[in-house]
Amino acid sequence: EIVMTQSPATLSVSPGERATLSCRASQSVTSNVAWYQQKPGQAPRLLIYDASTRATGIPARFSGSGSATEFTLTISSLQSEDFAVYYCQQYNNWWTFGQGTKVEIK
Amino acid sequence: EVQVVETGGGLIQPGGSLRVSCVASGFTVSSNHMSWVRQAPGKGLEWVSVFYFGGSTYYADSVKGRFTISRDNSKNTLYLQMDSLRAEDTAVYYCARGGAGKPFDYWGQGTLVTVSS
Repeated sequence: EIVMTQSPATLSVSPGERATLSCRASQSVTSNVAWYQQKPGQAPRLLIYDASTRATGIPARFSGSGSATEFTLTISSLQSEDFAVYYCQQYNNWWTFGQGTKVEIK
Repeated sequence: EVQVVETGGGLIQPGGSLRVSCVASGFTVSSNHMSWVRQAPGKGLEWVSVFYFGGSTYYADSVKGRFTISRDNSKNTLYLQMDSLRAEDTAVYYCARGGAGKPFDYWGQGTLVTVSS
């Protein structure tokens, strides 16, 4: 099983600041990585797929990068609605998720 | 508009059985890969099972032999039959479109399954 490890577990950021979330795969997953946002009581929402492609309707402030084993989700200027938990996922070999990064208000 | 709606969750005793359903609108279940993903209370996401549009099915090791995924094309509905339920199966079960080298692009709101005596 491919293990996805996210860091940090919690990120405290002020509105308007940049947030950078990391995800590491235990083996190469090429570019088959997605990022999801989940708010309390809601289902996950697809933000980024193929490591860097924004899903339909996702604002340009969300961007993804990386390949092989190292991936990053960047939120360029945090808005109030962006405070949530973010999960990375690999779909190169079955499907596994990271444990999540909670982005909270500083 | 694409929509996915899960139903059928509830409280069930250990060792019992339950079937959850997922009705899709805005797309055809039989033409897409469809998956079940679960989330235990306060925990992360875990893939459970996939039904490829070609008919193949696969399961996570944690549920293999106990859970069965199926679909009814006439009802555009996906099912997850859960047998021999354990306390550790307690979770919100989400239905999502995706699989086979694709992410999960549409998710339902989830249905809560609680296994407890």
